[in-house]
Amino acid sequence: KQEVTQIPAALSVPEGENLVLNCSFTDSAIYNLQWFRQDPGKGLTSLLLIQSSQREQTSGRLNASLDKSSGRSTLYIAASQPGDSATYLCAVRGNSGGSNYKLTFGKGTLLTVNP
Amino acid sequence: NAGVTQTPKFRVLKTGQSMTLLCAQDMNHEYMYWYRQDPGMGLRLIHYSVGEGTTAKGEVPDGYNVSRLKKQNFLLGLESAAPSQTSVYFCASSYLASSYNEQFFGPGTRLTVL
Repeated sequence: KQEVTQIPAALSVPEGENLVLNCSFTDSAIYNLQWFRQDPGKGLTSLLLIQSSQREQTSGRLNASLDKSSGRSTLYIAASQPGDSATYLCAVRGNSGGSNYKLTFGKGTLLTVNP
Repeated sequence: NAGVTQTPKFRVLKTGQSMTLLCAQDMNHEYMYWYRQDPGMGLRLIHYSVGEGTTAKGEVPDGYNVSRLKKQNFLLGLESAAPSQTSVYFCASSYLASSYNEQFFGPGTRLTVL
């Protein structure tokens, strides 16, 4: 059974700092990995999706990497801003049997960027 | 293009009552999903559908039923609500299973069962 772990559970940084959020998964048989952002009381917003054949994806100040063989992904946020404060969720889509369209989520990292 | 919408946004039920949550998407997606999100548990898949007229069980299906009579709608039913079903429910949709298959989420329904 796929398990996804996100470390740290919470992170507080001063504005302007570069930071890295970590995600690890136990089964490397994945189709892709997706990073989401969730604001308090809101739904999930997709930030980046990395396919299993890719090593990284970039969108603005965000860069996500994927090392499928070691079961790890990182989300790098450059020059953090208070508006980046949210919970960041990592989710993997499996590619074996009946799991090939379901997402398994981590519990998230709560990021606070202080002005 | 509204994306994925959910109704209602909030609901309070008494134990034993029934209700239906509605999810609608206007992106012509084949796949639709229902998740629940609980503190400390993350998001867990309840049921999903790979096309009109189809449904399948996810990780935590007990106490819920679903129907997909139209491609754009996915209904989640609670026949006899229990306090353990107090949660935030999210619907999502995606294109056919492919290596891309990005899931798009609705804004959620916050359900309290007393």
